Amino acid sequence: DQQVKQNSPSLSVQEGRISILNCDYTNSMFDYFLWYKKYPAEGPTFLISISSIKDKNEDGRFTVFLNKSAKHLSLHIVPSQPGDSAVYFCAAWGSGGSNYKLTFGKGTLLTVNP
Amino acid sequence: KAGVTQTPRYLIKTRGQQVTLSCSPISGHRSVSWYQQTPGQGLQFLFEYFSETQRNKGNFPGRFSGRQFSNSRSEMNVSTLELGDSALYLCASRLGVASYNEQFFGPGTRLTVL
Repeated sequence: DQQVKQNSPSLSVQEGRISILNCDYTNSMFDYFLWYKKYPAEGPTFLISISSIKDKNEDGRFTVFLNKSAKHLSLHIVPSQPGDSAVYFCAAWGSGGSNYKLTFGKGTLLTVNP
Repeated sequence: KAGVTQTPRYLIKTRGQQVTLSCSPISGHRSVSWYQQTPGQGLQFLFEYFSETQRNKGNFPGRFSGRQFSNSRSEMNVSTLELGDSALYLCASRLGVASYNEQFFGPGTRLTVL
């Protein structure tokens, strides 16, 4: 039962254009959402987060949008740079049974072409 | 400030053996979580420890266990290894257990079971 879904395994974008990464979730108990970036041979690094009481959070080139009614969030990167090429994970904090834990999607590989 | 360190970085074991992985959190961080990353399942939560107590546990069999010491260092043990246990095991630390407490990941231990 995959509660956090990233339906696009990969995305390719030209440098300077917008990258949009999408994430859907099924658990209405999720209350805090995050995006992580992962380079090969490294652990994930935190990128940006959003509380379930907000619908947008911005940090420099990165903006996360949350649509609670659709159970959907997205990460926008503008403008995209070659150094942004990495795997991006969507994650959500919430209760699954008796556990309050962080649930990850399977990731989207973003390639930004020069 | 030193980041999260994990030892060993690479490990090869055979089926039926057991293995212990170690994680040293960032100084001052009292929470340590463990995750398993595989190509098919993505990042899956194993367990979280805070002040030497297991707070949450993921959906893994009892062969997977962990502990945390008084200095916040943590170990994870897998007994009776199976081929399917081959994965990247990631440790993450954070200051506290609120959802807004950022998790910092280590580089992981790559376990191969033959």
